[in-house]
Amino acid sequence: DGGITQSPKYLFRKEGQNVTLSCEQNLNHDAMYWYRQDPGQGLRLIYYSQIVNDFQKGDIAEGYSVSREKKESFPLTVTSAQKNPTAFYLCASSLGLADTEQFFGPGTRLTVL
Amino acid sequence: AQSVTQLDSQVPVFEEAPVELRCNYSSSVSVYLFWYVQYPNQGLQLLLKYLSGSTLVKGINGFEAEFNKSQTSFHLRKPSVHISDTAEYFCAVSDRSNYQLIWGAGTKLIIKP
Repeated sequence: DGGITQSPKYLFRKEGQNVTLSCEQNLNHDAMYWYRQDPGQGLRLIYYSQIVNDFQKGDIAEGYSVSREKKESFPLTVTSAQKNPTAFYLCASSLGLADTEQFFGPGTRLTVL
Repeated sequence: AQSVTQLDSQVPVFEEAPVELRCNYSSSVSVYLFWYVQYPNQGLQLLLKYLSGSTLVKGINGFEAEFNKSQTSFHLRKPSVHISDTAEYFCAVSDRSNYQLIWGAGTKLIIKP
């Protein structure tokens, strides 16, 4: 089955540590996205990538970093510079940036202790 | 800049009753419109989308939405809800010039038995 996988489902981190969230897709999509979701708020775009080796900052990129070395993979690193990282993180993909439908992974819930 | 307003943070409704979830967006320029559903602790799934053509759009699970350009609205409706419809529903708008999705804050649909 084609789809998007995110791991781990739950992640706990101590303050001051970097942590990397995994996102893999086998849909052969060019575009991939990372969103942050907080209670009572809509999704906010962290980073997006149109093609391999290219990515752009979204609305709330500070304290986060990404890489896109392979078409299938778009890992997100939450750095110690992110002041309030506890949130639900969603990865998505689409055929292209101009494509109209995004497909979502199941999410990773990050808690900073 | 485009913005999306979901007027109700929660909508309680009795099982088998009709429901309407409201969504308004700010800009009247050409847009694509979407409704996504999120079940607890899961990713988002596309319910329906408006790209062009008929203003009444039918989606999965018996949902439909009507695009009203003059009122810049895209309200979601279902004639008879089921307990399995308990979820959070997100409206999103894509400006045709940059294709990035702008998200509403979400509406939790609470089904009362």
